[in-house]
Amino acid sequence: QSALTQPRSVSGSPGQSVTISCTGTSSDVGGYNYVSWYQHHPGKAPKLMIYDVSKRPSGVPDRFSGSKSGNTASLTISGLQAEDEADYYCCSYAGSYTPYVFGTGTKVTVL
Amino acid sequence: EVQLVESGGGLVQPGGSLRLSCAASGFTFSSYWMNWVRQAPGKGLEWVANIKQDGSEKYYVDSVKGRFTISRDNAKNSLYLQMNSLRAEETAVYYCAREPGADNYMDVWGKGTTVTVSS
Repeated sequence: QSALTQPRSVSGSPGQSVTISCTGTSSDVGGYNYVSWYQHHPGKAPKLMIYDVSKRPSGVPDRFSGSKSGNTASLTISGLQAEDEADYYCCSYAGSYTPYVFGTGTKVTVL
Repeated sequence: EVQLVESGGGLVQPGGSLRLSCAASGFTFSSYWMNWVRQAPGKGLEWVANIKQDGSEKYYVDSVKGRFTISRDNAKNSLYLQMNSLRAEETAVYYCAREPGADNYMDVWGKGTTVTVSS
């Protein structure tokens, strides 16, 4: 199972929007509505930001939204804030025997 | 407070073994699938293994099959990862993560424990 493909980095100014893409195949992203997104600040525990493609856990600001089209999922951060600067990883269910595949990760920089 | 705390990391020689532990608190441990995820230096997250609530089902990434064993002790609220025949490229921070219900995602993570495989 190959890692899902994400851009290495994206950046934006405070208040702007950025979108991170996550491209897989019909065996993972395209085959299931089980895409999740994680925010990871170095040295800390990863944090769930989106699950089931577009659902937000309680406590996650509504500036974070998720979507999917075909084999590509996306995470959009609207109204970018300084604390959003982190690494972001997508993750997809990929079937019973290798349940999860992560994306390559995207570094979000707030200019 | 819901919490996961990993331990057991350290320095081990190539070909050696190590057993990681993850102590859970603040929730009913026996009701959740549990996972191990790792991150090598400068690399992304990689799912390693998971285990069903009662331990009856276990799944592994292909690269660790036959060398790593995931297990749990629900009476002790603990998750384990026995790692044998370790390779240098398995140097990483190892995280345990909770997987709620029938949905396929991980909602609570620990801060990780560092494993260094080097001679």
